[in-house]
Order: sequence, then C-alpha cells, then structure tokens
Amino acid sequence: EVQLVESGGGLVQPGGSLRLSCAASGFTFSSYWMSWVRQAPGKGLEWVANIKQDGSEKYYVDSVKGRFTISRDNAKNSLYLQMNSLRAEDTAVYYCARDRSSYSNDAFDIWGQGTMVTVSS
Amino acid sequence: AIRMTQSPSSFSASTGDRVTITCRASQGISSYLAWYQQKPGKAPKLLIYAASTLQSGVPSRFSGSGSGTDFTLTISCLQSEDFATYYCQQYYSYPTFGQGTKVEIK
Repeated sequence: EVQLVESGGGLVQPGGSLRLSCAASGFTFSSYWMSWVRQAPGKGLEWVANIKQDGSEKYYVDSVKGRFTISRDNAKNSLYLQMNSLRAEDTAVYYCARDRSSYSNDAFDIWGQGTMVTVSS
Repeated sequence: AIRMTQSPSSFSASTGDRVTITCRASQGISSYLAWYQQKPGKAPKLLIYAASTLQSGVPSRFSGSGSGTDFTLTISCLQSEDFATYYCQQYYSYPTFGQGTKVEIK
C-alpha cells in the first residue's frame, strides 16, 4: 500500500524548533518530488516547501524562507522539515505529499494523515 | 504568487443535484490545475489534475474543465459522500490553493 506517515508534531513555544518526519512506503520514494503542505485550524491549504528527488533543488513559500529547511533521506525513504524560529502563525496541521509525476510542479496524489504543530506560550 | 479565487465559498445542495464550482487564476496557468476534496479531519484527496483528467479511482460524476485563467469542477449527481470542502490548486508556478468551497447538505 502506498503510504505517507508524518510524525514529530507537538506544542512548542514561540521562537522554538521542531523537526517533522514523513515515512514513505509502497512506492519508489527516490523517484518523486516531495512537498510539505500545511493547514491552519479552520483555514485553507498552503504549500510550504518541496524538494527534488536527489535533494539538489529545494523551494519554499516566502513566509518560511530562512526559518524552515526541507530535506530527505532516500535510503530511509524519509522526508523531513526542520522548523526554527517558530511563530504563532505557523500553527497548523502539516501534511507531507507526493508529486503525481517525476517532474516538478505537479498535483499531489498521495498525502499523509498530517501532524499537528501548535506554537504557543 | 499566483492567486486562486474560488466561488462560491460555500453553498447548500441536495443529493442528486448537479453542482459547479469555479476557480479563477490571477494569471494564465494553461492547464496546470488540480482539484481536491477534503472531509473534516482528513487529508485532501486528489480528484482531477491537468484541469480535466480524472485521477484513478475517482467516480466519473466528477469532471473538470477550463484552461488559462478560468476553471470549473462539476459534480453531475451529488451523492451523500460528496459533501465536503473542495480546493483548486495551480502548479504552473510554485503551488497555490484556492480558499476552498464547502458543499453542505440542504
């Protein structure tokens, strides 16, 4: 079964750090661009970052540039999001998602169940 | 950033109705558009990509059309399981989503 499972969410104080993980199974992880997408409580979806198959290209939404870092370990079939200098507005469910094809900028065909990040004192 | 605007933001409909949701891009995006369905507490589910291509396993009552800046998602005969929130997303440049359209039971 093709699956993505996120972990690492939790409660963190403003200015703190958190590392999210996403474990992939059931497909050749190293063949796909991967993304993080977030959803604030009661709000819509916002793409956060993506990474090329070999990790050589990474892109971020402006609001997280310089604070978040996306990475991957193809040997472990895992995707990561290192989040530093967290702000209240980063509070959201964070989903990892797979690009539908091996090309960049495609629809997201596989999503994880999400992990909740709450930034609050 | 390319802004995606959906209309309406919400509406009520009955089982069996034909419903249409529109999505407008702030600039031309060719056919680089996807539609997702999301139910409360669940991850989004891909319905349509490339503006009109049905994702595998998605019922044929769902269809998409449009290119350039104006797009539509149509559900030909609304079923009980279709009451959800729908999002459009462009992937012409870095991905952006519409604000969502909530389809509620009348």
